[in-house]
Amino acid sequence: NAGVTQTPKFQVLKTGQSMTLQCAQDMNHEYMSWYRQDPGMGLRLIHYSVGAGITDQGEVPNGYNVSRSTTEDFPLRLLSAAPSQTSVYFCASSYASTEAFFGQGTRLTVV
Amino acid sequence: GNSVTQMEGPVTLSEEAFLTINCTYTATGYPSLFWYVQYPGEGLQLLLKATKADDKGSNKGFEATYRKETTSFHLEKGSVQVSDSAVYFCALSGGGAQKLVFGQGTRLTINP
Repeated sequence: NAGVTQTPKFQVLKTGQSMTLQCAQDMNHEYMSWYRQDPGMGLRLIHYSVGAGITDQGEVPNGYNVSRSTTEDFPLRLLSAAPSQTSVYFCASSYASTEAFFGQGTRLTVV
Repeated sequence: GNSVTQMEGPVTLSEEAFLTINCTYTATGYPSLFWYVQYPGEGLQLLLKATKADDKGSNKGFEATYRKETTSFHLEKGSVQVSDSAVYFCALSGGGAQKLVFGQGTRLTINP
């Protein structure tokens, strides 16, 4: 089992560009989430999904879009990148209220 | 809303020292509580968890007890090793593991 796989690991974007961060899990977990990690602020929830076709906003959703067409995949789209979106992004999956499993992260820099 | 407050870091200790990282929380209802660890360049891994009051989570020599009366979940280890150097996050889940609320993280460095 690969667990939770995120691609790419590193990305540099110019302000205004769009891109998609990929996340895939092979554990058949219902729940998937996206967090961003910023220095001194821990991880903050961007969007989450409780199953295919169902998504909802977290604490910091502005500037990001998600969709969940399959159980395995949960991509995060940046519509028009801004320097404030420079961060490390983590995808996580879980089954109901059990522990969350995290990917290795994507380090994004917006210049 | 729900929130988690951790002791500020960074924390530097010598090998074999006793470790405490404080964590307090604010939540409605009865959340589950977690400690996650992040080693350099990696994602987060679950270290331990507790799902109800007075539960003690333990793993790899680390322990934490869910104290409802003081709304705390302090992380302790009796004798730390250099390999314990990492960032530690306290987190709570009030509505499922897909919606974790994290503290700001505490960077721990252990010197030989």
